[in-house]
Amino acid sequence: QSALIQPASVSGSPGQSLTISCTGSRRDIGSYNFVSWYHQLPGTAPKLLIYEVSQRSSGISTRFSGSKSGDTASLTISGLVTEDEGQYHCCSYAGNRTLIFGGGTRLTVL
Amino acid sequence: QVQLVQSGAEVKKPGTSVKISCKASGYTFTNYIIHWMRQAPGQSLQWMGWINAGSGDTKVSDKFSDRIGFQRDTSANMAYMQLTSLESDDTAIYFCGRGRNSFYSDSWGQGTLVTVSS
Repeated sequence: QSALIQPASVSGSPGQSLTISCTGSRRDIGSYNFVSWYHQLPGTAPKLLIYEVSQRSSGISTRFSGSKSGDTASLTISGLVTEDEGQYHCCSYAGNRTLIFGGGTRLTVL
Repeated sequence: QVQLVQSGAEVKKPGTSVKISCKASGYTFTNYIIHWMRQAPGQSLQWMGWINAGSGDTKVSDKFSDRIGFQRDTSANMAYMQLTSLESDDTAIYFCGRGRNSFYSDSWGQGTLVTVSS
């Protein structure tokens, strides 16, 4: 099964909002409300931001929100700050107790 | 606080095996799942499978089904991942992650770099 599709990179200015998409199929995102999002800084482990499509993990800012429509999930970051830079990964349950990750998106705050 | 501490970096020859450990603390080990993921240089994450720390039940990604094994030691709060028949493409950082269920990991280990080179 191929990885979920994410844009390779996105960028925005401080204070702006932006959305990162994650496109799957009926076999994963389209069939289950178990999409999660992770933020990863260089040389560190990923950190859970969002689980079950739209639930924020403990301690995560309300600037981060998740949603889903059909086979595509989205992560929206509002009020961009430089600390938001890094790699963002989406992940979905794919049935049969398996998971699938996206290709990752590099966010740059200009 | 919840913490997962992994074993140190490894350098392996092609065709050999590697076994990585993941020591959990700060929570009841047997109430959670341990996921295993990897990240090749410059690449995204790849899910490898999980072990239920309580029951010992496992699920492995089809991509690794014939050469991966998961174990746990509940007396030591440790989980292990062994990957056999290593190839250069297995060079990656390997992560363990705590999962309340099989759907996501809410806490991750620091990662273990495995380099496969002749």
